[in-house]
Parts: sequence; C-alpha cells; structure tokens
Amino acid sequence: DIQMTQSPSSVSASVGDRVTITCRASQGISSWLAWYQQKPGKAPKLLIFATSSLQSGVPSRFSGSGSGTDFTLSISSLQPEDFATYYCQQANSFPLTFGGGTKVEIK
Amino acid sequence: EVQLVESGGGLVQPGGSLRLSCAASGFIFSTYYMNWVRQAPGKGLEWVSYISSSSSTIYYADSVKGRFTISRDNAKNSLYLQMNSLRDEDTAVYYCANKLSGSYALDSWGQGTLVTVSS
Repeated sequence: DIQMTQSPSSVSASVGDRVTITCRASQGISSWLAWYQQKPGKAPKLLIFATSSLQSGVPSRFSGSGSGTDFTLSISSLQPEDFATYYCQQANSFPLTFGGGTKVEIK
Repeated sequence: EVQLVESGGGLVQPGGSLRLSCAASGFIFSTYYMNWVRQAPGKGLEWVSYISSSSSTIYYADSVKGRFTISRDNAKNSLYLQMNSLRDEDTAVYYCANKLSGSYALDSWGQGTLVTVSS
C-alpha cells in the first residue's frame, strides 16, 4: 500500500498569510494526487485533483504542485473561511490512501 | 445539483451487522463509479470500498475485507454497504462519494452517517 505523509500536522497562521502544506508518497504516484478541505462536522470537499487542477468553484488562491513522491498545497492569501483541515490523497492505485491531515488554525 | 444522502447508521453491538444506503440524485448514477470512505471520531479519512458503474470491479480496504460488501442498484440510484462482524474500530462516520471522471479523486460527498459499535 502507498503511505501518504503530510506535514506539518498543524499550522497557525493569520488572515493574509501564505500557507504551504507538504505531502509525501511512499512510492511514485506520477501526478495522481488530490487535496481536500474539511471543516468540523462537514464532509470533505475536493479542492485539487491531478496535483494541480483546481476543482470547479475553488478559489484561485489555492494551488498545487509536485510530481512523483513530493507534493505541495499552497494557499496564497489565507482567508477566514480557509481555516480547516486539509488532506492529501493518492489517486494512483488501490487501496486509495489519505495523508493524516493538516489543521490550519488561526494565530 | 449532485446530492448524496447516506442513511442506515446507528448503534450496534460488536459482532453485529448494519446496512448503509446512499441515495444519489442530480447526476446519472449508473455511469459513475462510487466509494465508501469513513472517519473515526477525531481521526483522519480512511477509504473503505469502491465499486465500478456496472459492479464488475470492486475493491476493499484490508481492514474490512471479508466483513463488508459493497453493492449498488442503478435502477434505484442507490449504493449500499453491508457491514457484518462489526468491531469497535469500525466506529466512524461513513461517507459515500463519487469518483471524479478521469481520476480516482473523490468528487462529491454525502453528509455522512454515524456508525457506533459498542456494547
């Protein structure tokens, strides 16, 4: 199984800050990487698929990059509605696996 | 508008069974591949199972293989998860989610249904 490791597990940031979250796969997954946002008590929401493709309706301040085993999610200017937990997921092979999550908290 | 609505969760004793349902609307269900994903209280996301549009291809996580069965009824626009031999560690919110076309990313998600396994 492909293990997904996210870092950091939590980050404190202020509105307007740039935030970067890293995800590492235990083996190469080409560009088959997705990112999700989850708010408390809500279902996850797909933000980015295929490493860097923004899902419809997702603000352009979100961006993704990487390939192979190392990937990043960046939020260029953090907004109040962005405080949430973010998960990466490898979409290369079954079993599908998720990273442990990164909680973005208000500083 | 895509809607996925899970139901069937509840409290069950260890060793018991439960059947979850997911009612789909707003898209052509019969053409979409579907998944179940779960989240234990305060924990991260865990993929559980996948079924292709025609039910010809099915996958399970090792943690549920042999105990859970995924199925679908395209005529009823519904997805199911039969859960047998339930364990404490199966306690979680269970989400159904459809697969994004061209990727194994999970596009639309239901609101989830809580399964609690406890004596």
